[in-house]
Amino acid sequence: QVQLQESGPGLVKPSQTLSLTCTVSGGSISSGTYYWNWFRQPAGKGLEWIGRFFFSRGTNYSPSLESRVTISADTSRNQFSLNLSSVTAADTAVYFCARSIVAVPAGGWFDPWGPGTLVTVSS
Amino acid sequence: EIVMTQSPATLSVSPGESATLSCRASQSVSSNLAWYQQKPGQAPRLLIHGAFTRATGLPDRFSGSGFGTEFTLTISSLQSEDFAIYYCQQYDNWLITFGQGTRLDIK
Repeated sequence: QVQLQESGPGLVKPSQTLSLTCTVSGGSISSGTYYWNWFRQPAGKGLEWIGRFFFSRGTNYSPSLESRVTISADTSRNQFSLNLSSVTAADTAVYFCARSIVAVPAGGWFDPWGPGTLVTVSS
Repeated sequence: EIVMTQSPATLSVSPGESATLSCRASQSVSSNLAWYQQKPGQAPRLLIHGAFTRATGLPDRFSGSGFGTEFTLTISSLQSEDFAIYYCQQYDNWLITFGQGTRLDIK
């Protein structure tokens, strides 16, 4: 059974870069069958898709964040990462990683999800 | 961007009764629609994909319907564990979008 787990600093200073890692167990991120995605959810608000990684095809990003986002992968560690640059308080949120399916339109639905990690942007 | 609009924002229902949650897309998404349940402090949990296909292990008191721009999630015989926030999500367009959520409260 595939499991995902987010990790990274819980506090980031304004203008710095937010860096998170999602570690995948029970499955390989280089299988070619799945997309590996990042989301965020500010407190009390809805879900926002940030972007995704697909082994051998690269990445897709939400246009609203594309200028600041990089998603990369370390296949040797079975991890994929999120970097979000020039953060402000508006980037404070719980960040989730999740898997979706390549064979389904637009990557389909998301399952499973990591438990999420809270990142606060504050000086 | 496809805008997903959920209604109502909050729904208060008594345990044992049924709840009907709605999701509307700003343009047709065919049957490329998923539903999720989220409880406080937890990640979303996939309930339905393909507009009506239940996720593995999901009780059959959860049912999804709809096509195109109008979708419904119905939960019958509400249990205490069903009170949560529910989100719809379209995957017809590569730019994934979610509805703003419906909070299902105990009446």
